[in-house]
Order: sequence, then C-alpha cells, then structure tokens
Amino acid sequence: AQKVTQAQTEISVVEKEDVTLDCVYETRDTTYYLFWYKQPPSGELVFLIRRNSFDEQNEISGRYSWNFQKSTSSFNFTITASQVVDSAVYFCALTDYKLSFGAGTTVTVRA
Amino acid sequence: DVKVTQSSRYLVKRTGEKVFLECVQDMDHENMFWYRQDPGLGLRLIYFSYDVKMKEKGDIPEGYSVSREKKERFSLILESASTNQTSMYLCASSLFPHRGTEAFFGQGTRLTVV
Repeated sequence: AQKVTQAQTEISVVEKEDVTLDCVYETRDTTYYLFWYKQPPSGELVFLIRRNSFDEQNEISGRYSWNFQKSTSSFNFTITASQVVDSAVYFCALTDYKLSFGAGTTVTVRA
Repeated sequence: DVKVTQSSRYLVKRTGEKVFLECVQDMDHENMFWYRQDPGLGLRLIYFSYDVKMKEKGDIPEGYSVSREKKERFSLILESASTNQTSMYLCASSLFPHRGTEAFFGQGTRLTVV
C-alpha cells in the first residue's frame, strides 16, 4: 500500500519569506513518481512539479525548488520569496499505478 | 488545453437517493479517477479506471460504484446517498500515471446530502 504524509497542516508567512513544505511517502514499488499540486481558492488542482524515483537530483524552477531524498522517503517543496498569490492548499502525491495524495498543507501568505 | 468537466458544481440530494456524478475529459486519456476531498483528510481515492469498462477500487470505495462505458466519461454513483457522503468530489484524468504523467482535475462537485 502506498501512503503520503504531510505533517504540516497550516503555514502562515509574510510576503517574501521562503516556505518549505514537507512530504514523506511510503511505497513498496521501486518505480514511482512524486508530484506537488496546488489548489488555489478557486478550487481546481493544478500540477506544479514531478520527480521520478530514479532521479534524486534536486531542481529549481523559478521560485519553486524541491528536495527528493530516497533514503528518508522525503520529497520537500520550497517556495522562495513567497507572494500573496502563492496562498493555496498544496498537496504532495505519489503514483505507481494509482495516484495517492497527502492531506494537504494550507499556505497563507500575508502582505 | 486539457479539459476535465464535471457536470455539476453544486448538488443537494436527499438521504437514500441514487446520485450520479458525471465527469468528461477531452484528451483521450486512458486513466480516470474519482476522489473525495474533506477538511484535514486531503484527497482520498474512491475508484479509478484504466480503460473502458475497467475499474479498480481505491482506498474508500464503500457506498460508491462507477461506470465507464466510453473512454471520455467516468461516472461516480452513490447507490443510496447518506449524510456522511456530503463532500467535495473531484474527478481527474491522466494519460500514463505509471509513467509519471500529471493528472488534470475538474472543478469539483460539492455534494450535500440532507
């Protein structure tokens, strides 16, 4: 069985602060993919980033960066220099043959 | 643009009614999913389908069934609605989730069972 755990329920920051979201996962598979999705107040989930289980290289894309560590089964996500528009619920997800989500972390960025 | 469309944004149904939630995608995706979203619980997978007429139970299938007669359409059925099925329901589709393709989501259906 696969499981995704997001320990942080809510995070509140002031604009321009960095925000790091934690994600820990469990799976028996050796091949899998990890994702981060964003759900803004409008409600529709939007894909942000993905990482496969074979590639532990960390990346940066604009203000987003992610840290994948297979040894600790963690896939953390950072928003640098947060903006008010980053306020949303962020979900970590894992897929092998089905797509499983964590409970989500609500990020509030205050002006 | 990929589009996943759920037939209703809001629904109010009575206890015991049979409820159909419809989802249509326009990108010829093989895989479709139904989730329910509840505060503090995130998205929980109810059922998914990897091909026409094929379905698999997710993590919380009890009280639900699904139908996939055509590739583009995936229906979630509440056989006899109960108040504990009041929730936000999200449909998603993906081309090859096992190869890491992302899922596209509908706007959600907020179902209230009274």
